[in-house]
Amino acid sequence: KQEVTQIPAALSVPEGENLVLNCSFTDSAIYNLQWFRQDPGKGLTSLLLIQSSQREQTSGRLNASLDKSSGRSTLYIAASQPGDSATYLCAVGGGSQGNLIFGKGTKLSVKP
Amino acid sequence: EADIYQTPRYLVIGTGKKITLECSQTMGHDKMYWYQQDPGMELHLIHYSYGVNSTEKGDLSSESTVSRIRTEHFPLTLESARPSHTSQYLCASRSPATGGSGELFFGEGSRLTVL
Repeated sequence: KQEVTQIPAALSVPEGENLVLNCSFTDSAIYNLQWFRQDPGKGLTSLLLIQSSQREQTSGRLNASLDKSSGRSTLYIAASQPGDSATYLCAVGGGSQGNLIFGKGTKLSVKP
Repeated sequence: EADIYQTPRYLVIGTGKKITLECSQTMGHDKMYWYQQDPGMELHLIHYSYGVNSTEKGDLSSESTVSRIRTEHFPLTLESARPSHTSQYLCASRSPATGGSGELFFGEGSRLTVL
């Protein structure tokens, strides 16, 4: 059974720092991996989608990498801003129904 | 930007009431999903649909039911709400791609409180 773990559970950094969020998964047979952002009481906003054949994806200040063989993904956020404060969720896709298995998330706080 | 809408956003009701959470998407996606999320916990799949007239139960057992009469509409119903149903319910749809690798888009969620 696929399990997704995110470390750390919470992170507090000063504005301007570069940071890395980690995601690991137990079964490397995945179709894709998706990173989301969730603000308090809100739904999920898709940040980056990495297909199983890809190694990384970039969008603005965000860069996500995927290493299927080791069961790991990282989300790199450059020059963090207070507006980046949110919970970041990693989810891996596998199975014909297209379901995603989610981690518990990393709660990020960026201090001005 | 995803066009997927959930109503109501917030609902407080008494035990025993019947409720329906609405979910609509305008992207024409066939695959749709309902997830349940308790505070600080991961999302768990409770229902999904491949398309019209298709409904399946997810990994997490749920007393709710769903229907898919139209592509754009995927409502979730609780016949008799209980305090244990208090949670956030998130609806999602998947863009088409081979092998289930399309991108997943979420609505804003419906936060249900049962007193």
